[in-house]
Amino acid sequence: GAVVSQHPSWVICKSGTSVKIECRSLDFQATTMFWYRQFPKQSLMLMATSNEGSKATYEQGVEKDKFLINHASLTLSTLTVTSAHPEDSSFYICSARDQGGLETQYFGPGTRLLVL
Amino acid sequence: AQSVTQLDSHVSVSEGTPVLLRCNYSSSYSPSLFWYVQHPNKGLQLLLKYTSAATLVKGINGFEAEFKKSETSFHLTKPSAHMSDAAEYFCVVRGSSNTGKLIFGQGTTLQVKP
Repeated sequence: GAVVSQHPSWVICKSGTSVKIECRSLDFQATTMFWYRQFPKQSLMLMATSNEGSKATYEQGVEKDKFLINHASLTLSTLTVTSAHPEDSSFYICSARDQGGLETQYFGPGTRLLVL
Repeated sequence: AQSVTQLDSHVSVSEGTPVLLRCNYSSSYSPSLFWYVQHPNKGLQLLLKYTSAATLVKGINGFEAEFKKSETSFHLTKPSAHMSDAAEYFCVVRGSSNTGKLIFGQGTTLQVKP
């Protein structure tokens, strides 16, 4: 089946540093990937839609200069949290849309970010 | 606009008894609906999906859901709960745009007691 990986699975960083999270579709091509944020005991909140070869589309209230998204290939999207602060600590999950006609999104295992 | 409402934030059942997780949706057209499961500190796994084919959808691990247009519901059921079913469950509707954006319900925590 379709597999999506994320790296790293968890990261601890100091306030003010930047953190890059990778999302890869391992056995299919994904022209569209999605980035979500999940706070403890809450649902997933869509942050942005990442389109291969073009600019990402951000949801209302999400700072595009803080959460940089790059979708350079059909199997890789990256999310960079710039100048991270403790309030950015969260569980970040990506998904990739299968373009094989099934219109199903496959989710990565998530990346837990802790900013000290 | 599309939306989903999960009617219970927490459901507790005994092992071996039926599971019912309720979801109502709102959509201006025939929706695509999904149920995902999330185990602690894990990503999401697709249980099943409805995309305007058969109204009774069978998924993995013995779960199934029935699309009822008259009731705007898509409840998730399983005849017999297993301890490993304890997790967070999300009812999801696909948005109207061509981007395929997903709109998540608030989630239901399923507790399974021995």
